[in-house]
Amino acid sequence: AQTVTQSQPEMSVQEAETVTLSCTYDTSESDYYLFWYKQPPSRQMILVIRQEAYKQQNATENRFSVNFQKAAKSFSLKISDSQLGDAAMYFCAYRPGLGGTSYGKLTFGQGTILTVHP
Amino acid sequence: KAGVTQTPRYLIKTRGQQVTLSCSPISGHRSVSWYQQTPGQGLQFLFEYFSETQRNKGNFPGRFSGRQFSNSRSEMNVSTLELGDSALYLCASSLGDLRSYEQYFGPGTRLTVT
Repeated sequence: AQTVTQSQPEMSVQEAETVTLSCTYDTSESDYYLFWYKQPPSRQMILVIRQEAYKQQNATENRFSVNFQKAAKSFSLKISDSQLGDAAMYFCAYRPGLGGTSYGKLTFGQGTILTVHP
Repeated sequence: KAGVTQTPRYLIKTRGQQVTLSCSPISGHRSVSWYQQTPGQGLQFLFEYFSETQRNKGNFPGRFSGRQFSNSRSEMNVSTLELGDSALYLCASSLGDLRSYEQYFGPGTRLTVT
């Protein structure tokens, strides 16, 4: 079974600074996808960034980028130029590829609460 | 395009009752997945429906069931409610095939069992 671990229950950052959230996962599958989701106080889960395991290049979406280390099974999220609106719970998630036994299932980490100080 | 919608947004039920939650996916999406979110257990996968068929199922008791209609709308039913069923229930939709592996979430239904 796949597992996703976020070792930082809480993180804080000053506005305009950079912060990195950590995530490790465990799987025996070779084809999979990784995601970071953001859940603000409204509870609406928002997709932040995605990474295909077969791609060596790290994904980037504006101020958000990932450091994907496939051999180490590590998938960290870097938020640059942090803004007050970035404050939320961040979840790392794993999804098997189409040939996986649980294709439609997302496995989530425990989440990291990010606080942004003005 | 309209996002994923869930109804109702809030529900209060009594132990022993049953409840039905509804989820309308993004237009064109054929896969709907359901998740339960609680402070203690975090986010847990309930099941996934694709083209009216359950494609995957999580480790929940048989009291939790679902179905999907021909228009891809999905319902989730919980029978004989227990206090521990109090949670935020999230549904997510995706195309469900090789073209897209991303899931987009609805706002959730907050269920309180008293």
